Amino acid sequence: DAEITQSPRHKITETGRQVTLACHQTWNHNNMFWYRQDLGHGLRLIHYSYGVQDTNKGEVSDGYSVSRSNTEDLPLTLESAASSQTSVYFCASSESGTGGRDTQYFGPGTRLTVL
Amino acid sequence: AQKVTQAQTEISVVEKEDVTLDCVYETRDTTYYLFWYKQPPSGELVFLIRRNSFDEQNEISGRYSWNFQKSTSSFNFTITASQVVDSAVYFCALSEALGSSNTGKLIFGQGTTLQVKP
Repeated sequence: DAEITQSPRHKITETGRQVTLACHQTWNHNNMFWYRQDLGHGLRLIHYSYGVQDTNKGEVSDGYSVSRSNTEDLPLTLESAASSQTSVYFCASSESGTGGRDTQYFGPGTRLTVL
Repeated sequence: AQKVTQAQTEISVVEKEDVTLDCVYETRDTTYYLFWYKQPPSGELVFLIRRNSFDEQNEISGRYSWNFQKSTSSFNFTITASQVVDSAVYFCALSEALGSSNTGKLIFGQGTTLQVKP
C-alpha cells in the first residue's frame, strides 16, 4: 500500500546544530508539504513543493529549508536549531498542485526537541 | 485573509451522547474546499471529509455527519452516539482554490479536543 513515512520519529538535538527531518511518500504525489504543530496554534505551513526542483515558503519558513530532487522525498532542514523550533513536524502529500481540491495525507509526525 | 476558527477548545461528553464540533471560516474566494481531520492520542492525522464550496448538501457517514452552511460560513461536525474511541483532537481546515494565491495549502483551525468518558 502507498504511504508516507517520516524519520526519525523522535529527535533530541542541541541549539545551533543542523538537523534534517526526512519525508518519503510512495503515493507518487506531486505536492508535498511540511507543517509544524504547536499548542494553541494548530498546524502551520513551513514549506511546500509542487514537484521536482520546486519549493515555496509557507507561513513560518524562517530558519527552515527544503529541497526536492525527486518525487518521493522532501527533506526539511533546520539550519541552526533553536529552542523555538521544538515542535511536532508533519509531512503531507497530495496529488496535484492546482485547485486546492486534493486531499492532503499526512505522515506520522516527528517530535523534535531542541535543548 | 483566510482564517478558520474552532471556538471550542475542549469538549467533554459521556459515551452515547451526541456532540457537535463547530467550525467557522473566512475566505474571499468563491471556490474553496473544507476538510476535517482527526488526531487520536497516537498522534497521526486522519482525513475524515472534504467538501467543496459549491456542494452544500449535508453528508452522513455512519455516526458522523457534517453540516455545511455557506450563508454562515460554517462547516460543523456532529458525532452521534459518541464512543470512547472518538476521543481525539479534531481539526477543521480550509484550502484555497482560485486566484494568484492558489497554493492548495491548508489553513487549519486550532483544533477541538474531544473527550468521551465511559
